[in-house]
Amino acid sequence: DTGVSQNPRHKITKRGQNVTFRCDPISEHNRLYWYRQTLGQGPEFLTYFQNEAQLEKSRLLSDRFSAERPKGSFSTLEIQRTEQGDSAMYLCASSLGEGEVDIQYFGAGTRLSVL
Amino acid sequence: GQNIDQPTEMTATEGAIVQINCTYQTSGFNGLFWYQQHAGEAPTFLSYNVLDGLEEKGRFSSFLSRSKGYSYLLLKELQMKDSASYLCAVWDSNYQLIWGAGTKLIIKP
Repeated sequence: DTGVSQNPRHKITKRGQNVTFRCDPISEHNRLYWYRQTLGQGPEFLTYFQNEAQLEKSRLLSDRFSAERPKGSFSTLEIQRTEQGDSAMYLCASSLGEGEVDIQYFGAGTRLSVL
Repeated sequence: GQNIDQPTEMTATEGAIVQINCTYQTSGFNGLFWYQQHAGEAPTFLSYNVLDGLEEKGRFSSFLSRSKGYSYLLLKELQMKDSASYLCAVWDSNYQLIWGAGTKLIIKP
């Protein structure tokens, strides 16, 4: 079990550019979550998948953000026309999606800096 | 609205005991989690409470009172490596995790 893996670890981009992040969850986990975290704050929910189906998306998420999980395994998060306010740590988490306690396991995150 | 409150920062001495409090007001409750997050790293799961009372796990214990909307994380025999942020998160009625802003714990020798 290699844990949740995220790539890249760091991304610097210019305002207006598109960026894409990848998350590889723990292999047997059905659920995958994307969060955004800024300094001194807790994670903010963006969206989550049950297998390949995107079941929920935060109302705070603008149309510039899109996420996919095409085969129910890895997921990508794309941000189009980046803005300086998008600068944050983007965290991915996965969970089994069954049982009484559905613990989320996090990846190390992708830190995005928009210049 | 949904709200989770934790102290922003706490300082404690190596070898001592510290209690980090968390109060919550959420739309429904299906459990409360505590996570530890070292600077620049991923949050890691510490504990889960769904029934009132104390759950003990080694040096760490977590307490829940659902009627008071209150939880605490108790850390004993503090070590320098315990310096981190501690995040309280509540599973709401939709099984979505609502996070507090975290408590930065500073351990001094």
